[in-house]
Amino acid sequence: KQEVTQIPAALSVPEGENLVLNCSFTDSAIYNLQWFRQDPGKGLTSLLLIQSSQREQTSGRLNASLDKSSGRSTLYIAASQPGDSATYLCAVRRITGFQKLVFGTGTRLLVSP
Amino acid sequence: EAQVTQNPRYLITVTGKKLTVTCSQNMNHEYMSWYRQDPGLGLRQIYYSMNVEVTDKGDVPEGYKVSRKEKRNFPLILESPSPNQTSLYFCASSLSPGTGFRNLLALNTEAFFGQGTRLTVV
Repeated sequence: KQEVTQIPAALSVPEGENLVLNCSFTDSAIYNLQWFRQDPGKGLTSLLLIQSSQREQTSGRLNASLDKSSGRSTLYIAASQPGDSATYLCAVRRITGFQKLVFGTGTRLLVSP
Repeated sequence: EAQVTQNPRYLITVTGKKLTVTCSQNMNHEYMSWYRQDPGLGLRQIYYSMNVEVTDKGDVPEGYKVSRKEKRNFPLILESPSPNQTSLYFCASSLSPGTGFRNLLALNTEAFFGQGTRLTVV
């Protein structure tokens, strides 16, 4: 059974800091991993998708890495801004059972001005 | 604009009164799913559909029904809602990874989510 864990559960930083969010998964037989952002009471916005054959993906100030063998992914946010405050979720799509995304527990980020 | 549209966004209903939450996508995706999100439990899959007329149970299907008569639509039906179905519901869609050669293409199966439906059953 695939389990996905995100550390830390909550993070508070001052504006301008670079930060790293962690995601670990127990079964390395994944098709891909996706990072999402969720604002309170709102939908999930896709940030980055990493295929299992890739090591990293970048979009603007965001960089996501994937180490399938160790079951880990990190989301790096450069020069954080108050607008980055949200909950960040990672989700893996397994090779078997790929019809379902298995979500992590989420990291709640607060960036203060 | 590529999107998944859910309606309604907010719904308060009484126990036992049948309701339907609609979901529509404009990306010609084969896969569609419903998830519910609850504090402390995260997102859990209710039902999914791999294509028209092909649906199956997810992790928490009890009390829900779905249908997939057209590729773009995947409604979630609560025949007799109960208070434990109070939750935030999300519809999602993506391409199918496929099999064989199509799988080797490593198709982009990025999942797109709707804005959510907050359901309260009293």
